[in-house]
Amino acid sequence: DVKVTQSSRYLVKRTGEKVFLECVQDMDHENMFWYRQDPGLGLRLIYFSYDVKMKEKGDIPEGYSVSREKKERFSLILESASTNQTSMYLCASSSWTDNTGELFFGEGSRLTVL
Amino acid sequence: AQSVTQLDSQVPVFEEAPVELRCNYSSSVSVYLFWYVQYPNQGLQLLLKYLSGSTLVKGINGFEAEFNKSQTSFHLRKPSVHISDTAEYFCAVSGTSYGKLTFGQGTILTVHP
Repeated sequence: DVKVTQSSRYLVKRTGEKVFLECVQDMDHENMFWYRQDPGLGLRLIYFSYDVKMKEKGDIPEGYSVSREKKERFSLILESASTNQTSMYLCASSSWTDNTGELFFGEGSRLTVL
Repeated sequence: AQSVTQLDSQVPVFEEAPVELRCNYSSSVSVYLFWYVQYPNQGLQLLLKYLSGSTLVKGINGFEAEFNKSQTSFHLRKPSVHISDTAEYFCAVSGTSYGKLTFGQGTILTVHP
């Protein structure tokens, strides 16, 4: 089974802190994604990456950056956390050879910014 | 550009009753369609997907969905729900490169005893 692991299930940070959310997948997938989930808004794409060191902005990239130094790892960075970034963050991956778009998700990281 | 609209934000239903969760999409290209389920405090898992062929797609846990191209809909159905089906359900569409999915707003299904 594909396994996508997010390093922290729950985090509490203060406004202005730098936050790292880590995601690792073990199925050699080329594509990795970071989504943000908020009630009533569904999932919104923050950034995605289709190869090592490559990144593309999604629909809501402002206030976020990403890093993909290794194929299996995709990190989401909040340079200076703000209260409006309190949310559930979901990492996902997919295979380039499967062009249907099916995603495999991690358990999510719930971030609270005080 | 693609978009997905889930017409009901919450659907309460009694156990063993049938349920339909509605999803409409818009896209200028051919699409693949998905339903994902999210149980409390968990990530999303795939329920079923439509890629091509038969418009009636069967998924896990007794769910099925019907692709209707003329109405641009992909409604999810189950003839008899269980308490354990209580979860949030997301409809999603993919029609671009890199496998990007566009998600709907989600429908919270609550099954009452």
